[in-house]
Amino acid sequence: NSKVIQTPRYLVKGQGQKAKMRCIPEKGHPVVFWYQQNKNNEFKFLINFQNQEVLQQIDMTEKRFSAECPSNSPCSLEIQSSEAGDSALYLCASSLGGSGNTLYFGEGSRLIVV
Amino acid sequence: QQKVQQSPESLSVPEGGMASLNCTSSDRNFQYFWWYRQHSGEGPKALMSIFSDGDKKEGRFTAHLNKASLHVSLHIRDSQPSDSALYFCAASGNTGYQNFYFGKGTTLTVIP
Repeated sequence: NSKVIQTPRYLVKGQGQKAKMRCIPEKGHPVVFWYQQNKNNEFKFLINFQNQEVLQQIDMTEKRFSAECPSNSPCSLEIQSSEAGDSALYLCASSLGGSGNTLYFGEGSRLIVV
Repeated sequence: QQKVQQSPESLSVPEGGMASLNCTSSDRNFQYFWWYRQHSGEGPKALMSIFSDGDKKEGRFTAHLNKASLHVSLHIRDSQPSDSALYFCAASGNTGYQNFYFGKGTTLTVIP
């Protein structure tokens, strides 16, 4: 069983609605990644954190995506105004960080935008 | 440009057979490689890591790395129907913040 916990497993949103996903990383892992896996199974890196700080992120120029990893709370990824093209599996993963440490994934949150 | 390429896109092997998956990277900064397996409806699970040239064996799974050619392979012997899944190769480097680059995956079907 995955030690990275993602909720919800599924969410269905209408276009323009907010979609919020949460992730509890594996205990002791300070680094958290978010990926979008599209229908072709391709991974798109979105953002990563070390503790509460953003390490890297894509240019979220549309500003519809936001993410945070507050202290003592689950990490979250939120889409402010969902679009059909956002339909995908959103994967959270955690790691000890540093070179050569394995990335462990949760089961994902599947977003369907209708 | 895709930094990690996988082949074949799909592969069918009979139960008990050998499955061979390939991965090539285009970035000489990559030092660390992983194989992940993703069953339908689940998240990817780390199968094996390989960081040194040569073979690494874990049960029915053997990974091979050739850093000079940036080629990694995964061989599954005695394939089982439960091995049917999507297999991803992932790579990361030694520079700056750790980031991972994934291939597009190989779909393995083991035919009973």
